[in-house]
Amino acid sequence: DGGITQSPKYLFRKEGQNVTLSCEQNLNHDAMYWYRQDPGQGLRLIYYSQIVNDFQKGDIAEGYSVSREKKESFPLTVTSAQKNPTAFYLCASSPEGMVGTEAFFGQGTRLTVV
Amino acid sequence: EDQVTQSPEALRLQEGESSSLNCSYTVSGLRGLFWYRQDPGKGPEFLFTLYSAGEEKEKERLKATLTKKESFLHITAPKPEDSATYLCAVQEGAQKLVFGQGTRLTINP
Repeated sequence: DGGITQSPKYLFRKEGQNVTLSCEQNLNHDAMYWYRQDPGQGLRLIYYSQIVNDFQKGDIAEGYSVSREKKESFPLTVTSAQKNPTAFYLCASSPEGMVGTEAFFGQGTRLTVV
Repeated sequence: EDQVTQSPEALRLQEGESSSLNCSYTVSGLRGLFWYRQDPGKGPEFLFTLYSAGEEKEKERLKATLTKKESFLHITAPKPEDSATYLCAVQEGAQKLVFGQGTRLTINP
């Protein structure tokens, strides 16, 4: 079945560590996105990518980095520069950006700083 | 900058008690308004896309409507399995969605 797979489901980070969240899709979608969700708030865009080897910052990119070396994969690294990383992270994809189409979401990764 | 505001923040209904959720938006040139359902600890699941004022879409007990300034998600005779957080989002430019904070809906049996 086609879909988006995020891993791990739960992740714990120590202070000062970098951690990488995985996102893989087999929907043959060009565009991929990372969102952050905090309790009581809407989803906020971290980074997005329309094509391989190209990506743009979203509204809250500071302290995060991404790569898009393959169409199917869009990993997110939460660096030590992100001061408040505890949140629910969602990866999404869509066929050609958002124009006229809905985004498909993964099941999320819950990151906790310990 | 585009903004999306959902109300109420939380809503508790009895099974069979119909109601509506509101999504107010400010956007220059609406390209699309999206409704999603999100269960606890899961990713959002797509429900509807609306493009122009007057448009309506239905799916089972849900109906989404759109005016020039807001969208409503009407829930008719809800069941406990309709309990979830409902998210509204508008398309900003060609590349991203701007989300509201969601309405947490609880249906009591």
